[in-house]
Amino acid sequence: AQTVTQSQPEMSVQEAETVTLSCTYDTSESNYYLFWYKQPPSRQMILVIRQEAYKQQNATENRFSVNFQKAAKSFSLKISDSQLGDTAMYFCAFMMDSNYQLIWGAGTKLIIKP
Amino acid sequence: DVKVTQSSRYLVKRTGEKVFLECVQDMDHENMFWYRQDPGLGLRLIYFSYDVKMKEKGDIPEGYSVSREKKERFSLILESASTNQTSMYLCASSFINGGEAFFGQGTRLTVV
Repeated sequence: AQTVTQSQPEMSVQEAETVTLSCTYDTSESNYYLFWYKQPPSRQMILVIRQEAYKQQNATENRFSVNFQKAAKSFSLKISDSQLGDTAMYFCAFMMDSNYQLIWGAGTKLIIKP
Repeated sequence: DVKVTQSSRYLVKRTGEKVFLECVQDMDHENMFWYRQDPGLGLRLIYFSYDVKMKEKGDIPEGYSVSREKKERFSLILESASTNQTSMYLCASSFINGGEAFFGQGTRLTVV
């Protein structure tokens, strides 16, 4: 069975700092997708970044980038120049290519301090 | 913009009541999902639907049922609400497998 582990329940950094959230997963599949979702206090879950496992290049979206290490089954999220609006729960999720189901980590609560 | 709308943000129901949570999406997505979110547990899939009148059980279907009579609407039904069903419920939709899932704002259900 696939599992997703986020080992950091909570993190806090100062505004403008860089922060890295860790995520590891376990699967025997070779084709899959990985996601980072953000859930701010408003509760609206939104996609931050998506990675296709067959692509070696790490995905980036503005200040957000990932470090995808397929052999190590690691998918960390780096937030550069953090902003107060980045304060949220961050969830890592996994989806097999042949399936519809997202497998979720427990989440990391990120607090950006002014 | 894709919009997924859940009928209530907050709901308080009594034990034993039948509860309906409604979800509507406006982007013609095939896939729709109901998740339950509890602290420290992430999101757990209750039910999934990939087409009208089609449904599949997720990880925690016990005590729940679903209905999808129209493509845009996916309803979650608590047949007889119990206090252990107090939780946040999130609806989501997606166009294809592997694609982005779009979420509603969640319904915080309290069963007393």
